[in-house]
Amino acid sequence: GDSVTQMEGPVTLSEEAFLTINCTYTATGYPSLFWYVQYPGEGLQLLLKATKADDKGSNKGFEATYRKETTSFHLEKGSVQVSDSAVYFCALRADSNYQLIWGAGTKLIIKP
Amino acid sequence: GAVVSQHPSRVICKSGTSVKIECRSLDFQATTMFWYRQFPKQSLMLMATSNEGSKATYEQGVEKDKFLINHASLTLSTLTVTSAHPEDSSFYICSAQNTVYNEQFFGPGTRLTVL
Repeated sequence: GDSVTQMEGPVTLSEEAFLTINCTYTATGYPSLFWYVQYPGEGLQLLLKATKADDKGSNKGFEATYRKETTSFHLEKGSVQVSDSAVYFCALRADSNYQLIWGAGTKLIIKP
Repeated sequence: GAVVSQHPSRVICKSGTSVKIECRSLDFQATTMFWYRQFPKQSLMLMATSNEGSKATYEQGVEKDKFLINHASLTLSTLTVTSAHPEDSSFYICSAQNTVYNEQFFGPGTRLTVL
Protein backbone atom coordinates (compact mmCIF):
# COMPACT_ATOMS: atom_id res chain seq x y z
CA GLY A 1 0.00 0.00 0.00
CA ASP A 2 0.88 3.66 -0.06
CA SER A 3 3.43 4.85 2.47
CA VAL A 4 5.55 7.83 3.46
CA THR A 5 9.02 7.69 4.98
CA GLN A 6 10.66 10.74 6.49
CA MET A 7 13.91 11.23 8.33
CA GLU A 8 13.88 10.59 12.03
CA GLY A 9 14.45 13.40 14.42
CA PRO A 10 15.06 15.33 16.33
CA VAL A 11 16.95 17.57 13.99
CA THR A 12 18.85 20.27 15.86
CA LEU A 13 20.22 23.29 14.02
CA SER A 14 21.52 26.70 14.83
CA GLU A 15 19.61 29.78 13.75
CA GLU A 16 20.23 30.77 10.10
CA ALA A 17 21.37 27.25 9.17
CA PHE A 18 20.13 25.51 6.03
CA LEU A 19 17.41 22.93 6.60
CA THR A 20 16.58 19.75 4.73
CA ILE A 21 14.07 17.20 5.95
CA ASN A 22 13.91 14.20 3.68
CA CYS A 23 10.65 12.61 2.64
CA THR A 24 10.13 9.74 0.21
CA TYR A 25 6.94 8.01 -0.71
CA THR A 26 5.50 4.87 -2.24
CA ALA A 27 2.24 5.19 -4.10
CA THR A 28 0.38 4.01 -7.12
CA GLY A 29 -1.06 6.58 -9.44
CA TYR A 30 -0.42 10.28 -9.01
CA PRO A 31 -0.74 11.33 -5.38
CA SER A 32 -0.72 14.85 -4.01
CA LEU A 33 2.04 15.57 -1.51
CA PHE A 34 1.91 17.73 1.60
CA TRP A 35 4.01 19.09 4.41
CA TYR A 36 2.19 19.88 7.64
CA VAL A 37 3.64 21.62 10.68
CA GLN A 38 2.65 21.25 14.32
CA TYR A 39 3.94 24.02 16.56
CA PRO A 40 4.17 23.30 20.29
CA GLY A 41 0.71 23.24 21.82
CA GLU A 42 -1.04 23.91 18.52
CA GLY A 43 -2.92 21.95 15.90
CA LEU A 44 -1.65 20.78 12.54
CA GLN A 45 -1.34 23.37 9.83
CA LEU A 46 -0.75 22.87 6.16
CA LEU A 47 2.66 24.29 5.31
CA LEU A 48 2.79 23.60 1.60
CA LYS A 49 1.64 21.15 -1.01
CA ALA A 50 2.23 19.97 -4.57
CA THR A 51 -0.29 18.15 -6.68
CA LYS A 52 1.74 16.95 -9.66
CA ALA A 53 5.24 16.04 -10.68
CA ASP A 54 7.77 18.90 -10.80
CA ASP A 55 5.45 21.22 -8.88
CA LYS A 56 7.16 23.24 -6.18
CA GLY A 57 5.23 24.12 -3.07
CA SER A 58 6.43 27.08 -1.02
CA ASN A 59 5.36 28.99 2.07
CA LYS A 60 7.08 30.98 4.84
CA GLY A 61 10.48 30.45 3.20
CA PHE A 62 10.02 26.67 3.04
CA GLU A 63 10.07 24.84 -0.28
CA ALA A 64 9.55 21.30 -1.50
CA THR A 65 9.59 19.94 -5.05
CA TYR A 66 7.53 16.93 -6.14
CA ARG A 67 10.11 14.59 -7.72
CA LYS A 68 8.41 11.63 -9.33
CA GLU A 69 11.64 10.11 -10.61
CA THR A 70 13.03 9.83 -7.08
CA THR A 71 9.60 9.62 -5.35
CA SER A 72 10.67 12.39 -3.02
CA PHE A 73 9.31 15.61 -1.54
CA HIS A 74 12.14 16.97 0.59
CA LEU A 75 11.47 20.06 2.69
CA GLU A 76 14.07 22.84 2.56
CA LYS A 77 14.61 26.27 4.03
CA GLY A 78 17.61 28.45 3.44
CA SER A 79 17.82 30.11 6.84
CA VAL A 80 15.88 28.75 9.79
CA GLN A 81 14.67 30.75 12.76
CA VAL A 82 13.98 29.77 16.35
CA SER A 83 10.28 30.17 15.58
CA ASP A 84 10.53 27.30 13.06
CA SER A 85 10.95 24.85 15.93
CA ALA A 86 8.08 22.39 15.51
CA VAL A 87 7.23 18.91 14.32
CA TYR A 88 7.00 18.53 10.55
CA PHE A 89 4.92 15.84 8.88
CA CYS A 90 5.13 14.71 5.29
CA ALA A 91 1.93 13.22 3.87
CA LEU A 92 0.43 12.01 0.66
CA ARG A 93 -3.10 11.79 -0.60
CA ALA A 94 -3.98 9.25 -3.23
CA ASP A 95 -5.78 10.59 -6.24
CA SER A 96 -8.77 8.39 -5.50
CA ASN A 97 -9.85 9.57 -2.06
CA TYR A 98 -9.44 12.13 0.69
CA GLN A 99 -7.39 10.07 3.13
CA LEU A 100 -3.93 11.26 4.05
CA ILE A 101 -1.05 8.83 4.53
CA TRP A 102 1.40 10.23 7.10
CA GLY A 103 5.09 10.07 7.71
CA ALA A 104 6.30 9.62 11.27
CA GLY A 105 7.05 13.29 11.81
CA THR A 106 10.36 15.04 12.33
CA LYS A 107 10.94 17.25 15.33
CA LEU A 108 12.99 20.31 14.47
CA ILE A 109 14.81 22.22 17.19
CA ILE A 110 16.43 25.54 16.32
CA LYS A 111 18.87 26.99 18.82
CA PRO A 112 19.63 30.71 18.97
CA GLY B 1 -10.71 30.86 6.08
CA ALA B 2 -11.48 27.31 7.08
CA VAL B 3 -11.49 26.79 10.82
CA VAL B 4 -12.06 23.59 12.74
CA SER B 5 -12.64 23.60 16.47
CA GLN B 6 -12.50 20.82 19.01
CA HIS B 7 -14.02 20.71 22.44
CA PRO B 8 -12.82 20.10 25.03
CA SER B 9 -9.15 20.83 24.54
CA ARG B 10 -8.24 18.81 27.58
CA VAL B 11 -10.17 16.28 29.65
CA ILE B 12 -9.32 14.12 32.62
CA CYS B 13 -11.68 11.32 33.55
CA LYS B 14 -11.88 8.26 35.74
CA SER B 15 -11.48 4.79 34.36
CA GLY B 16 -14.80 3.32 33.25
CA THR B 17 -16.46 6.60 32.34
CA SER B 18 -17.30 7.83 28.83
CA VAL B 19 -15.98 10.98 27.24
CA LYS B 20 -17.39 12.86 24.25
CA ILE B 21 -15.20 15.02 22.01
CA GLU B 22 -16.77 17.43 19.56
CA CYS B 23 -15.33 18.53 16.24
CA ARG B 24 -16.90 21.46 14.42
CA SER B 25 -16.20 23.09 11.09
CA LEU B 26 -16.92 26.72 11.88
CA ASP B 27 -17.14 28.39 8.49
CA PHE B 28 -17.65 25.59 6.00
CA GLN B 29 -19.66 22.44 5.58
CA ALA B 30 -17.85 19.14 5.75
CA THR B 31 -19.44 15.96 4.51
CA THR B 32 -16.29 14.10 5.49
CA MET B 33 -14.41 14.37 8.75
CA PHE B 34 -11.54 12.29 10.06
CA TRP B 35 -10.52 11.24 13.56
CA TYR B 36 -6.88 10.63 14.40
CA ARG B 37 -4.99 9.52 17.44
CA GLN B 38 -1.49 10.75 18.11
CA PHE B 39 0.80 9.01 20.55
CA PRO B 40 3.74 10.83 22.13
CA LYS B 41 6.59 11.26 19.66
CA GLN B 42 4.66 9.37 17.02
CA SER B 43 2.76 10.15 13.92
CA LEU B 44 -0.96 10.40 13.45
CA MET B 45 -2.95 7.22 13.30
CA LEU B 46 -6.19 7.45 11.38
CA MET B 47 -8.95 5.95 13.47
CA ALA B 48 -11.98 6.47 11.29
CA THR B 49 -13.55 8.41 8.47
CA SER B 50 -16.83 10.03 9.34
CA ASN B 51 -19.38 10.79 6.65
CA GLU B 52 -22.40 12.96 7.33
CA GLY B 53 -25.57 10.95 7.62
CA SER B 54 -23.95 7.54 7.42
CA LYS B 55 -21.91 5.16 9.53
CA ALA B 56 -18.26 5.87 10.07
CA THR B 57 -15.62 3.76 8.39
CA TYR B 58 -13.16 2.46 10.95
CA GLU B 59 -9.56 1.54 10.29
CA GLN B 60 -8.37 -1.95 10.99
CA GLY B 61 -7.74 -2.53 14.67
CA VAL B 62 -9.95 0.30 15.91
CA GLU B 63 -12.82 -0.90 18.08
CA LYS B 64 -16.00 0.65 16.74
CA ASP B 65 -17.93 -0.14 19.91
CA LYS B 66 -15.37 1.64 22.01
CA PHE B 67 -14.86 4.68 19.82
CA LEU B 68 -18.34 5.78 18.79
CA ILE B 69 -18.46 8.33 16.00
CA ASN B 70 -21.50 10.34 15.04
CA HIS B 71 -21.61 12.82 12.16
CA ALA B 72 -25.14 14.12 12.46
CA SER B 73 -24.71 17.40 10.63
CA LEU B 74 -22.48 18.99 8.02
CA THR B 75 -20.59 20.93 10.68
CA LEU B 76 -20.37 18.54 13.62
CA SER B 77 -18.81 15.16 14.28
CA THR B 78 -18.44 13.63 17.72
CA LEU B 79 -16.14 10.94 19.06
CA THR B 80 -17.23 9.18 22.24
CA VAL B 81 -14.68 7.07 24.06
CA THR B 82 -16.80 4.58 25.98
CA SER B 83 -15.68 2.93 29.21
CA ALA B 84 -12.35 4.68 28.99
CA HIS B 85 -9.23 3.05 30.38
CA PRO B 86 -5.74 4.45 31.00
CA GLU B 87 -4.50 2.99 27.71
CA ASP B 88 -6.99 5.24 25.91
CA SER B 89 -5.08 8.28 27.17
CA SER B 90 -3.85 10.07 24.09
CA PHE B 91 -4.11 13.14 21.90
CA TYR B 92 -7.15 12.98 19.63
CA ILE B 93 -7.27 15.14 16.54
CA CYS B 94 -10.08 15.68 14.08
CA SER B 95 -9.99 17.13 10.61
CA ALA B 96 -12.65 18.23 8.17
CA GLN B 97 -12.44 17.95 4.43
CA ASN B 98 -13.06 21.27 2.73
CA THR B 99 -14.13 20.56 -0.82
CA VAL B 100 -13.64 24.17 -1.92
CA TYR B 101 -9.94 24.12 -1.00
CA ASN B 102 -9.69 20.36 -1.59
CA GLU B 103 -7.77 19.83 1.60
CA GLN B 104 -8.24 18.78 5.21
CA PHE B 105 -8.31 21.37 7.97
CA PHE B 106 -7.37 20.23 11.43
CA GLY B 107 -8.74 20.91 14.86
CA PRO B 108 -6.35 21.83 17.68
CA GLY B 109 -6.69 18.43 19.31
CA THR B 110 -8.01 17.06 22.59
CA ARG B 111 -5.72 15.70 25.28
CA LEU B 112 -7.49 12.82 27.05
CA THR B 113 -6.11 11.52 30.32
CA VAL B 114 -7.80 8.54 31.91
CA LEU B 115 -6.91 7.96 35.56
